[in-house]
Order: sequence, then structure tokens, then C-alpha cells
Amino acid sequence: GAGVSQSPSNKVTEKGKDVELRCDPISGHTALYWYRQSLGQGLEFLIYFQGNSAPDKSGLPSDRFSAERTGGSVSTLTIQRTQQEDSAVYLCASSPSSRWESPLHFGNGTRLTVT
Amino acid sequence: KNEVEQSPQNLTAQEGEFITINCSYSVGISALHWLQQHPGGGIVSLFMLSSGKKKHGRLIATINIQEKHSSLHITASHPRDSAVYICAVNTGNQFYFGTGTSLTVIP
Repeated sequence: GAGVSQSPSNKVTEKGKDVELRCDPISGHTALYWYRQSLGQGLEFLIYFQGNSAPDKSGLPSDRFSAERTGGSVSTLTIQRTQQEDSAVYLCASSPSSRWESPLHFGNGTRLTVT
Repeated sequence: KNEVEQSPQNLTAQEGEFITINCSYSVGISALHWLQQHPGGGIVSLFMLSSGKKKHGRLIATINIQEKHSSLHITASHPRDSAVYICAVNTGNQFYFGTGTSLTVIP
């Protein structure tokens, strides 16, 4: 079947605008993770969902960031009033469960550029 | 202070060499992952470990929970192994990532 799908693959937006990033996990995967990777930087964990619930939102960089997941499937990451420092590749991964033995499957990411 | 430290940051090897990448962490973990990121950005999960050793082809990953240390070994390295290798630990609620080791294997 299909892997983790993210859309759009690229997004250029003006500073101050809102953006919405989408992640379609592998069918049946209950756990979903959002990360970001800024240019020249390492990976940064943002948030994870077990089903539709996000047990820990402390990784979100600011209150301009929010994420939701509906139907235990698609997730959206919303960034309000984008800033230039939000420019990064936003990656989504899913796994069959959030138990430690579950492998991660990554999407190809959304490259966000804030001008 | 980084919860996950990787070494070396950069590594250049001749084809055929045995390669070791190290990862040390300071938090309690449920599992440790080794990830591979090729130029162009796609990320692939290589291994997930909670104890002992795993082997897949020319890749071997080990973890010592008491010492909070993991190693990724590549035997008979090949230019197609050139990539960034990232160590990630899962604490049960969060992931922490190393900054990655950029490996270049020269023919």
C-alpha cells in the first residue's frame, strides 16, 4: 500500500499568513508524529498523536502552532501568522502503535518557506 | 545541553572500510532508532532497539542501556551508504534527536 503522504510538498508563503500542512499516514497506523528540520539543523520533535489524542503538546514551538487529527487518520499542522523562522521541512511519520517496538515510517515532508 | 549526542559529526571513508557511528543519550528511553537521510531529504528508519543487537545486511546496531550508548556499524562500506545517519530516542512521550553524522564513502 501507499506510504505516508504529505501535502503540499512545497509551500511558499508571506510572513504573517496562516498555513496548513497535511499528513496522510499509512492506513491503520494509530500513532502519528510531526517533526521539523530547519536548514542545516537537526530534527526537532513537535507533537505526536495516539489515535486522535495528543498526550504531549509541549514540543510545539509556540502558540501559533496547532495540530489536530480526525478519524484517527489524517492530521493537519497549522501555523498561524507565519514568521521567517518557521521556514523548515515539516516531516510526518506514522507507526502501527505508539508502543516502543513500533517502527517509524516517514513521509517526504513539506518544505515551507516564509518570505 | 543535548539529550542525544552523536559522534563523529562528519565522516569520510574509503569504500570497503568498516564504519562506526556512536550515539550517547542522557534521558530514560523506551526505544532508540537509527535513521538514514539521503540527499534530497527522504528519511528511512534503519533500526529500532531497546536492548542488545540487531543486524540487517551490512548494518549492525547495538545498544547498551546501562551505559546509555548505541553504535551503528556499517561493514564493507559502499558509496551508496553516503547519507546522514541520525540517532533518535523515544522517551515514551517525546523524541529527541542527535544532530546526525554525515557519512561520505569514496569509491
